Amino acid sequence: GQNIDQPTEMTATEGAIVQINCTYQTSGFNGLFWYQQHAGEAPTFLSYNVLDGLEEKGRFSSFLSRSKGYSYLLLKELQMKDSASYLCAVRVDYKLSFGAGTTVTVRA
Amino acid sequence: DTEVTQTPKHLVMGMTNKKSLKCEQHMGHRAMYWYKQKAKKPPELMFVYSYEKLSINESVPSRFSPECPNSSLLNLHLHALQPEDSALYLCASSIHREENEKLFFGSGTQLSVL
Repeated sequence: GQNIDQPTEMTATEGAIVQINCTYQTSGFNGLFWYQQHAGEAPTFLSYNVLDGLEEKGRFSSFLSRSKGYSYLLLKELQMKDSASYLCAVRVDYKLSFGAGTTVTVRA
Repeated sequence: DTEVTQTPKHLVMGMTNKKSLKCEQHMGHRAMYWYKQKAKKPPELMFVYSYEKLSINESVPSRFSPECPNSSLLNLHLHALQPEDSALYLCASSIHREENEKLFFGSGTQLSVL
């Protein structure tokens, strides 16, 4: 099986920055994805990394180090609407395996 | 149209019932997926269809029967389910199974088995 680890919960203040780490040990690697999921809703795509380095997209950035089996998602200028679960997912062949998700709570 | 539409949004069924979940996309995607998600757990892959053919079955019990009638539709037929099958069932699609592009998820069907 695939092993994908991320913290269970994080809390941050509106306007702050939060970094969600993800480590993985998988039988292969075809890319790493970050998804956002609000309670009771479907996951929505945030970012995709297949090469080492930082990908920036507005307030969200994602970093990948394949040699370390490590990624992080950086959320800047936090807003209340960013309160959600953030899922790290690794694609191996045709299958996407998800981590358990990190619940981020943004406080005023 | 960049949506994956799932119906119904909520479903309550008894263990002897037969029901179907439906999923539709009109983005021209040729890969479609069923995921199961229990509360506070990550989505777990159940089935993958590529060009209307079943390509992956993650050892799912036969009481779940997928069907892909055409490139836009994906069904999941349910029969003799157990209470532990209660979960959020998510449909997703992507351009191709082989490419590393993102998945588009539907909003899911919240299933309760009594």
